[in-house]
Amino acid sequence: GAGVSQSPSNKVTEKGKDVELRCDPISGHTALYWYRQSLGQGLEFLIYFQGNSAPDKSGLPSDRFSAERTGGSVSTLTIQRTQQEDSAVYLCASSLASPRDRAYNEQFFGPGTRLTVL
Amino acid sequence: GENVEQHPSTLSVQEGDSAVIKCTYSDSASNYFPWYKQELGKRPQLIIDIRSNVGEKKDQRIAVTLNKTAKHFSLHITETQPEDSAVYFCAAKGGSYIPTFGRGTSLIVHP
Repeated sequence: GAGVSQSPSNKVTEKGKDVELRCDPISGHTALYWYRQSLGQGLEFLIYFQGNSAPDKSGLPSDRFSAERTGGSVSTLTIQRTQQEDSAVYLCASSLASPRDRAYNEQFFGPGTRLTVL
Repeated sequence: GENVEQHPSTLSVQEGDSAVIKCTYSDSASNYFPWYKQELGKRPQLIIDIRSNVGEKKDQRIAVTLNKTAKHFSLHITETQPEDSAVYFCAAKGGSYIPTFGRGTSLIVHP
């Protein structure tokens, strides 16, 4: 079946502009996560959705970052007034069960959106 | 919250040698430990995982060991091949229930 998809695959923007990144999780996956991966760095957690609600937004680096999820499916990560330090690959992942579920297993990652802020 | 340390950051081996990557975690409530492989320009993919009720798990040339007392777990790859070259990430899921990832190990297997 179809995996997690993200769009666009690449985004180049000018400093100060707003950007929207989209994630389509695997159908039926209730949990959705956003991560940021800077060059040579690990996976920095940004936000987690269970259904349409976001129980954990603790990783969002500033109030310029926001995310929403509608219909328990597609999610959009918005970065306002982009800065050069926002340049990174933004990865989305989904999992079938809630991470609170004892049956929780793997996260399936999307291909990422490479954001470059000039 | 959970803190995961991963070592080494870079590992270079000859084809056929074994490779070991080690991770430590801080949250004693952590109960799920996945390992992901990320090839250059591709998405991370799960290669093996272990839960806190077992000490070791094997899948062909890869194995993971877990020491709950010491709060560390390791990935072992035997008979390495050039296609094993990638960045490997460990993660731990604990009381905060969101998996925390290590910073990654770049494994280079020389033919």
